[in-house]
Amino acid sequence: AQSVTQLDSHVSVSEGTPVLLRCNYSSSYSPSLFWYVQHPNKGLQLLLKYTSAATLVKGINGFEAEFKKSETSFHLTKPSAHMSDAAEYFCVVSDQANAGGTSYGKLTFGQGTILTVHP
Amino acid sequence: KAGVTQTPRYLIKTRGQQVTLSCSPISGHRSVSWYQQTPGQGLQFLFEYFSETQRNKGNFPGRFSGRQFSNSRSEMNVSTLELGDSALYLCASSFERGRAQDTQYFGPGTRLTVL
Repeated sequence: AQSVTQLDSHVSVSEGTPVLLRCNYSSSYSPSLFWYVQHPNKGLQLLLKYTSAATLVKGINGFEAEFKKSETSFHLTKPSAHMSDAAEYFCVVSDQANAGGTSYGKLTFGQGTILTVHP
Repeated sequence: KAGVTQTPRYLIKTRGQQVTLSCSPISGHRSVSWYQQTPGQGLQFLFEYFSETQRNKGNFPGRFSGRQFSNSRSEMNVSTLELGDSALYLCASSFERGRAQDTQYFGPGTRLTVL
């Protein structure tokens, strides 16, 4: 079974300072990991994904994440926050489809981290 | 390319009624997944369709059902609505057969309110 824990429900930073959103995962297989962002009253937008290639993944809008298998972590970072980064962020895991197909199409979401950016 | 579209964007229903939500995937995408988002439970997987077949189903009661058409468009239906069904329903599409590496692209969602 797969699961995701986002360690902070709220993170508050000042504009121009670094952002760190923490995520730990659990997976029975070789997982793919994603970060999605959701702005108010909007759908989910993909920031980046890890699929067993490079462990440091670069995404859109200056975000990046590092896959650490030994720590089962996939933390999201950005060197300098911008006001437009204020949103809710979701860490997501997807198990490699097993023979029974019970993982097909299923993303497991963390509970979300609300990022607030102060001027 | 147009993104995932969902209709309607907003719905208000009363308890006991039924509702049908529609999702049109990105052109060429054959896998469609549905999710329910609520403040209490977060985002939960409902089901996934590929080539008109349900390949996977989440832990929801039988009142929640869906289908996929030959053009990959999908609908989900909720019968005998309950107050707890009030949620944002999100549809996502991907190109391949729902493999883990596939990226799911989400629509804007349908906001369902049950009174």
